Amino acid sequence: QKEVEQNSGPLSVPEGAIASLNCTYSDRGSQSFFWYRQYSGKSPELIMFIYSNGDKEDGRFTAQLNKASQYVSLLIRDSQPSDSATYLCAVNKGRDAGGTSYGKLTFGQGTILTVHP
Amino acid sequence: DGGITQSPKYLFRKEGQNVTLSCEQNLNHDAMYWYRQDPGQGLRLIYYSQIVNDFQKGDIAEGYSVSREKKESFPLTVTSAQKNPTAFYLCASSVTSGNYNEQFFGPGTRLTVL
Repeated sequence: QKEVEQNSGPLSVPEGAIASLNCTYSDRGSQSFFWYRQYSGKSPELIMFIYSNGDKEDGRFTAQLNKASQYVSLLIRDSQPSDSATYLCAVNKGRDAGGTSYGKLTFGQGTILTVHP
Repeated sequence: DGGITQSPKYLFRKEGQNVTLSCEQNLNHDAMYWYRQDPGQGLRLIYYSQIVNDFQKGDIAEGYSVSREKKESFPLTVTSAQKNPTAFYLCASSVTSGNYNEQFFGPGTRLTVL
């Protein structure tokens, strides 16, 4: 089982629709969760992070976390053609027993989203 | 302007050569990371460093080496032992004092072996 797995895609939605991107993770001790957007040929840019169960909203983006189900998702409302990109889910394990932060992120393979006019 | 710079943007290597990729940050971040991305794939961690003069292997360290002599700099050397080095290389940095430590990425270096 992969440590972080994303829905396989590619995902195609019409302009104005809601795009739903999903991610599951295997380590129950994971603490924080990140969504990055990556345009073709460019580096990833951080969209949102979430660490508590429930929803976190930022503009058209909503991150949802369910630690019991080991599941995190990203909803993009009113999708625009400019949202077309690869979306990467990343997971951080938090801190070790000594309090040292685990800086490492484990990334999923990414989901390609295309928003068509 | 605060940020992470990587150079060069494109790099071509002949088989058997070592090459060094540069990564510099002026964000005052303690931690720095190197990732490799192959077409259609996610990011795989090569090496990371959470403090000057210390670094740890990531998931795919074989054929790579790093140094961390200054807080601002974390160069990556791709050695001739790396059998399939053609890829997109990304450097990132983060703080270590918080709980969530989001990583910020440089623009990347695209390495091609001729």
